[in-house]
Amino acid sequence: ETAVFQTPNYHVTQVGNEVSFNCKQTLGHDTMYWYKQDSKKLLKIMFSYNNKQLIVNETVPRRFSPQSSDKAHLNLRIKSVEPEDSAVYLCASSLGQGDNERLFFGHGTKLSVL
Amino acid sequence: QQKVQQSPESLSVPEGGMASLNCTSSDRNFQYFWWYRQHSGEGPKALMSIFSDGDKKEGRFTAHLNKASLHVSLHIRDSQPSDSALYFCAASESQGGRALIFGTGTTVSVSP
Repeated sequence: ETAVFQTPNYHVTQVGNEVSFNCKQTLGHDTMYWYKQDSKKLLKIMFSYNNKQLIVNETVPRRFSPQSSDKAHLNLRIKSVEPEDSAVYLCASSLGQGDNERLFFGHGTKLSVL
Repeated sequence: QQKVQQSPESLSVPEGGMASLNCTSSDRNFQYFWWYRQHSGEGPKALMSIFSDGDKKEGRFTAHLNKASLHVSLHIRDSQPSDSALYFCAASESQGGRALIFGTGTTVSVSP
């Protein structure tokens, strides 16, 4: 059963628009993540967030920004989307920040940029 | 270049057969390995972890790790149509706070 919830499931927008995706986990976990899955199904880490400490993948463009109100929520905002942002964005959570933590994923938000 | 490479890219297995997936990393800092499975339209789900050299068995799934050669494998015994999915190997470094790095993926198709 799903315990990491993402909205919306799909979003279609035009180049230059701003979009926001929501993620909520009900597992009581301390750490949350955003991954990007491209058209070749490759999964790349974008951000991880733990106890208000943000770890950013240096390859993520500055138009992407995570937003967290509490440890159960981690949203993703994209200012001025580009065609290469078309992908599935997957939110995940883990109990802690350890190296051997299991990740629990949501179903993803599929973004299409026209 | 992906730090975690998987082979083959795709694999067809008859129902009841054995599926064998391979994973090689290029970073000796990777100490912890996972196998995840992703069905179409869903997020990846963890199958099993392996942190020590040798074999680890969970039901029909057996993982093998050789840290010296940076090689991990997954074997699925008695494959079922429900095993048809995209399989990822994932690795993390021995430093706290680093997110999992996922491999390139292997698509497994099990035909009845």
